[in-house]
Amino acid sequence: EVQLLESGGGLAQPGGSLRLSCAASGFTFSTYAMSWVRQAPGKALEWVSGITSGGAAFYADSVKGRFTISRDNSKSTLYLQMSSLRADDTAVYYCGKETTTGDFITLDYWGQGTLVTVSS
Amino acid sequence: QLVLTQSPSASASLGASVKLTCTLSSGHSSYAIAWHQQQPEKGPRYLMKLNSDGSHNKGDGIPDRFSGSSSGAERYLTISSLQSEDEADYYCQTWDTGSWVFGGGTKLTVL
Repeated sequence: EVQLLESGGGLAQPGGSLRLSCAASGFTFSTYAMSWVRQAPGKALEWVSGITSGGAAFYADSVKGRFTISRDNSKSTLYLQMSSLRADDTAVYYCGKETTTGDFITLDYWGQGTLVTVSS
Repeated sequence: QLVLTQSPSASASLGASVKLTCTLSSGHSSYAIAWHQQQPEKGPRYLMKLNSDGSHNKGDGIPDRFSGSSSGAERYLTISSLQSEDEADYYCQTWDTGSWVFGGGTKLTVL
């Protein structure tokens, strides 16, 4: 059974930092691309960042230069280092396992999310 | 610009059927989408990938009550024999060369 368990959320001050983790199990983590998607309170889902199995990273324009995605295949864990946090980064952050069919990519498994609140 | 448009809300009675719509922006009618369900206070759950020809591939454990279809730029999710646990937000999502796009979501109320 595929499981994704996020952790590391909490309260951060504007301009501060947080590191999120996503522990994966039930599949061969090293062979799959992974993504982070967030959801601000009462809002729709927003893709944040993704990383290929080979370690190539991609970012939404809204977080480029402030967030860094990484992975540790030996620990089956995905990370999101968030810096220069702003109030509009407040959201529940979900990690997801990517699946690719031809030239289409989606997430076929999601975690339960971790809440990040940016406030003074 | 690639945009997905969904109605904010829908409702249907217990045991009935409902059809949710996701509309692709002009020039993108050939795109596939995915449907995801988000029950209250839970993480999203992948339902299916839906192609422009209406063929679809469902995720693990998704009941037969969930099906997809397509017509032009519109992508549909039909849920039959509605159950109380189907009350949720439903999001469509697509992808195009590094660009992830989500629709605004439809909140389904089961009466």
